[in-house]
Amino acid sequence: AQSVTQLGSHVSVSEGALVLLRCNYSSSVPPYLFWYVQYPNQGLQLLLKYTSAATLVKGINGFEAEFKKSETSFHLTKPSAHMSDAAEYFCAVSDLYSGGSNYKLTFGKGTLLTVNP
Amino acid sequence: NAGVTQTPKFRILKIGQSMTLQCTQDMNHNYMYWYRQDPGMGLKLIYYSVGAGITDKGEVPNGYNVSRSTTEDFPLRLELAAPSQTSVYFCASSYSLRYEQYFGPGTRLTVT
Repeated sequence: AQSVTQLGSHVSVSEGALVLLRCNYSSSVPPYLFWYVQYPNQGLQLLLKYTSAATLVKGINGFEAEFKKSETSFHLTKPSAHMSDAAEYFCAVSDLYSGGSNYKLTFGKGTLLTVNP
Repeated sequence: NAGVTQTPKFRILKIGQSMTLQCTQDMNHNYMYWYRQDPGMGLKLIYYSVGAGITDKGEVPNGYNVSRSTTEDFPLRLELAAPSQTSVYFCASSYSLRYEQYFGPGTRLTVT
């Protein structure tokens, strides 16, 4: 079964510092990968997605992520954190090869990002 | 274009009561999903649908039922509510398996 590991349930950075949120997945075939953001009391919003095109993916709000097959990783980065980036971030993996009734989007447990002034 | 809407936003149920969580999308998506979110646990798939009249179980379907009579609507039914069903419920939709899922704002349910 597919699994997603987000290292660090809570990451704290200073405003203007680099943001690095880690995501590793387990898959023997290239999956589709997503990062979602959830602001307090809201639903999830797509930040970016990897669909087997370019390995460096740019998303909204200055975020980007790099797919590294050899490391089975899809870490999320932003060069300079802003106070408005404080939210919970979820990595998700889509197992497209299961097909039929076995398809699902597997989410990591989330990383809460705090940005300090 | 409202996207995915959910009602109600909040609900408190007593043990043993039943209720239906409503979900509607106006993007003409074939795929729709119900998730529950518990603190520190990410999202767990309850049920999903690949089109009107077709539904299937996800990871945690026990205690829930769904139906899909139209493309737009995908209600989730809770029968005999239990405290373990206290959670935040999200409905989502997507154009296909390859595309991103769009989420509703959620329903916060408490069972006491």
